[in-house]
Amino acid sequence: AQKVTQAQTEISVVEKEDVTLDCVYETRDTTYYLFWYKQPPSGELVFLIRRNSFDEQNEISGRYSWNFQKSTSSFNFTITASQVVDSAVYFCALSEASNYGGSQGNLIFGKGTKLSVKP
Amino acid sequence: NAGVTQTPKFRVLKTGQSMTLLCAQDMNHEYMYWYRQDPGMGLRLIHYSVGEGTTAKGEVPDGYNVSRLKKQNFLLGLESAAPSQTSVYFCASSYLRIGGYTFGSGTRLTVV
Repeated sequence: AQKVTQAQTEISVVEKEDVTLDCVYETRDTTYYLFWYKQPPSGELVFLIRRNSFDEQNEISGRYSWNFQKSTSSFNFTITASQVVDSAVYFCALSEASNYGGSQGNLIFGKGTKLSVKP
Repeated sequence: NAGVTQTPKFRVLKTGQSMTLLCAQDMNHEYMYWYRQDPGMGLRLIHYSVGEGTTAKGEVPDGYNVSRLKKQNFLLGLESAAPSQTSVYFCASSYLRIGGYTFGSGTRLTVV
């Protein structure tokens, strides 16, 4: 069955530090998608990135970067030079392309990592 | 663009009361979802719909019912609310079966 594990429940850093949020997933599908969402204190869910299982290139967007490694079933998220505005809960999620158990396409979320960036 | 709109935003219910949460999307998306978010549990799928007139159970469907009579609306019903249903409820929609979701802003429900 599909599963997403975010082992870090809470992380606290000081502004300008780099921080990596870990995400490990389980799936028996060969075609799947991985996502990261941000939930700031205001509560809304903000889409950050989607990556399909055939694209293992790392991606960088400003201070954000993502490292996808199929060999270790990991999709880690790094924030460089963190800022107070990065304080939020971050969710990693998985969506399978196949219809095992009728769950095709449904987003399965990890439990989230709460990041606190202190000035 | 409104995107995905959830009503109400906040609600307090007494145990045993019923209510309906409304999710409306104006993006002509086929797929719609209801999740609940509880501390330390992430988001868990309650029910979903792959098109008008269809619904299916997710991970935690017990105690909830849904309806998708119109493509743009997805209703989540609680027939007899219980304190265990105190949660933040998120609705989402997507154009593709596999793709990024657009989420509503959430409904904070407290059952006392």
